[in-house]
Amino acid sequence: EVQLLESGGGLVQPGGSLRLSCAASGFTVSSHALTWVRQAPGKGLDWVSGITGRAGTPYYADSVRGRFTISRDNSKNTFYLQMNSLRAEDTAIYYCAKAIERGISNFDYWGQGTLVSVSS
Amino acid sequence: QSVLTQPPSVSAAPGQKVTISCSGSNSNIGNNYVSWYHQLPGTAPKLLIYDSNNRPSGIPDRFSGSKSGTSATLGITGLQTGDEADYYCGAWDSSLGAYVFGTGTKVTVL
Repeated sequence: EVQLLESGGGLVQPGGSLRLSCAASGFTVSSHALTWVRQAPGKGLDWVSGITGRAGTPYYADSVRGRFTISRDNSKNTFYLQMNSLRAEDTAIYYCAKAIERGISNFDYWGQGTLVSVSS
Repeated sequence: QSVLTQPPSVSAAPGQKVTISCSGSNSNIGNNYVSWYHQLPGTAPKLLIYDSNNRPSGIPDRFSGSKSGTSATLGITGLQTGDEADYYCGAWDSSLGAYVFGTGTKVTVL
């Protein structure tokens, strides 16, 4: 059974850093594209970042490029989102998800979400 | 600001049909597959349609997807109260080098 379990969310001051983790089971992270999607309170879905399967090429939304870094650890079957220089507008529930195949699309399994709050 | 535009809301009586449109451009819907997701309150999104018109296992055939040019459509027939949720389209945007979601549509069962 495929499962994704996020951790690492919390309250952080503006300018601070957090690292989100997404522990995967039931599939091999290196074989599928993986992604992070966020949702601010009362708002719609906002794609943040993705990494392709096999080659592991990262992609970012303009709003986070240069501040966030996506990575994966094949040995731990886990992927991460390192978030630096956090801003109030980064406050959201962050979901990790896997894609059906190697391309960043068709997200068939999602984690439960972890809340990131950026506030002084 | 999302590059995929959806109507804010649609509604119909139980048993009826609704359609949700998703309008984009050549860089996203026009040249890439579309996915559809729904999100019940307080839960994670769930994939309903992939590659524009395919259903994952477990998704009933009441849900259907289609694509024409730079627009896509999600259809829901035999509307049920359990279908009340927010619905989002999504696609890869080749110009942005990013995945984009639609603005979202709230489905209400009257």
